[in-house]
Amino acid sequence: DTAVSQTPKYLVTQMGNDKSIKCEQNLGHDTMYWYKQDSKKFLKIMFSYNNKELIINETVPNRFSPKSPDKAHLNLHINSLELGDSAVYFCASSQKQIMNTEAFFGQGTRLTVV
Amino acid sequence: GQQLNQSPQSMFIQEGEDVSMNCTSSSIFNTWLWYKQDPGEGPVLLIALYKAGELTSNGRLTAQFGITRKDSFLNISASIPSDVGIYFCAGPSGGSQGNLIFGKGTKLSVKP
Repeated sequence: DTAVSQTPKYLVTQMGNDKSIKCEQNLGHDTMYWYKQDSKKFLKIMFSYNNKELIINETVPNRFSPKSPDKAHLNLHINSLELGDSAVYFCASSQKQIMNTEAFFGQGTRLTVV
Repeated sequence: GQQLNQSPQSMFIQEGEDVSMNCTSSSIFNTWLWYKQDPGEGPVLLIALYKAGELTSNGRLTAQFGITRKDSFLNISASIPSDVGIYFCAGPSGGSQGNLIFGKGTKLSVKP
């Protein structure tokens, strides 16, 4: 029974398309995140979402928008995809926003823009 | 902003050898986390440290939270082939986001 699950695992799409990645957690956590891992394996926060409060990393283009229908889900929408968006995107969740921020990660979605 | 410097960047060792990697930060952390990422998978939490000086083990893995609160190390004893992967140190960003910042990872290769 997967704790943090995201779909799809692989996504290949053309430049200019709009795509979504879905994420669900069954851990009862309060906070969910999206991280981006580049080709050098560097993990960087994109968004965190807690109790309807969205905090955005200012370096993330506004073509990226997270949407949370409820506490257990945080989907990532990407408009007008660019070649540089190719990366692995990880969803994560944690129990507490500030202290003891042990985060649990999904398996990742490898996005390839061609 | 906060940065984590993780070293070494990569290690090639023989099965059975012990491994040590460390992480230093530019500022004080109140939590240190060590994750492992297998190819094609997401990072999995190995050890969490919450107090300066704390030494915690998880099987063959041992991690310590440095006294200065600006560093941590992870040791793996008697390595086996399934230890292969990328090991990341991480800590809270300190902002209101509650997210983690990560080191750049140590890629471990184990030769049988």
